Amino acid sequence: SQQGEEDPQALSIQEGENATMNCSYKTSINNLQWYRQNSGRGLVHLILIRSNEREKHSGRLRVTLDTSKKSSSLLITASRAADTASYFCATAWNNQGGKLIFGQGTELSVKP
Amino acid sequence: EAGVAQSPRYKIIEKRQSVAFWCNPISGHATLYWYQQILGQGPKLLIQFQNNGVVDDSQLPKDRFSAERLKGVDSTLKIQPAKLEDSAVYLCASSPETGRRSYEQYFGPGTRLTVT
Repeated sequence: SQQGEEDPQALSIQEGENATMNCSYKTSINNLQWYRQNSGRGLVHLILIRSNEREKHSGRLRVTLDTSKKSSSLLITASRAADTASYFCATAWNNQGGKLIFGQGTELSVKP
Repeated sequence: EAGVAQSPRYKIIEKRQSVAFWCNPISGHATLYWYQQILGQGPKLLIQFQNNGVVDDSQLPKDRFSAERLKGVDSTLKIQPAKLEDSAVYLCASSPETGRRSYEQYFGPGTRLTVT
């Protein structure tokens, strides 16, 4: 079964607005990763946050992790049409040798 | 740095036929993964190799799916015989990690399989 559950399933915003996607998971993790998938570039790693970290930034991306609530959020600031894609969270469990469990994804549409 | 290569990119077969997918990971990456992604869902791990040994194949339907990674580099995934529900994108990924730690994974473009 899927470990991560993304919310919302679909999100439509205007260029320049911020987009927030949430991910909830069920068991203790080693780290949580966010990936982006579009038809042009396939599945691409965006950011990894470890279980002992609470927030991480990369360019226009900001990820938070709340292990007490077993949840994470991905914020994309000042969105662009090129950010249109599906976004997946993936959890890595402790002592699972790198195995990732992906959620169902959030489909983001950024309108110019 | 060259990325993960996969072939073919598209394949259409009839049910009960067999099909094989090929993956060449990033040079030096010890760990290789095969995922199945059904339309509208996230990728699901089928099998994980570390070098040429299987680490996890718990979700591989072994009655019809098989995979190998000879010499710890290239890998092939085979389906025989295919069923309609095998229609999906098959993704190969690699990672430099060894041992218990998890790192980011680098994905290939995938093979889109349609079973009719």
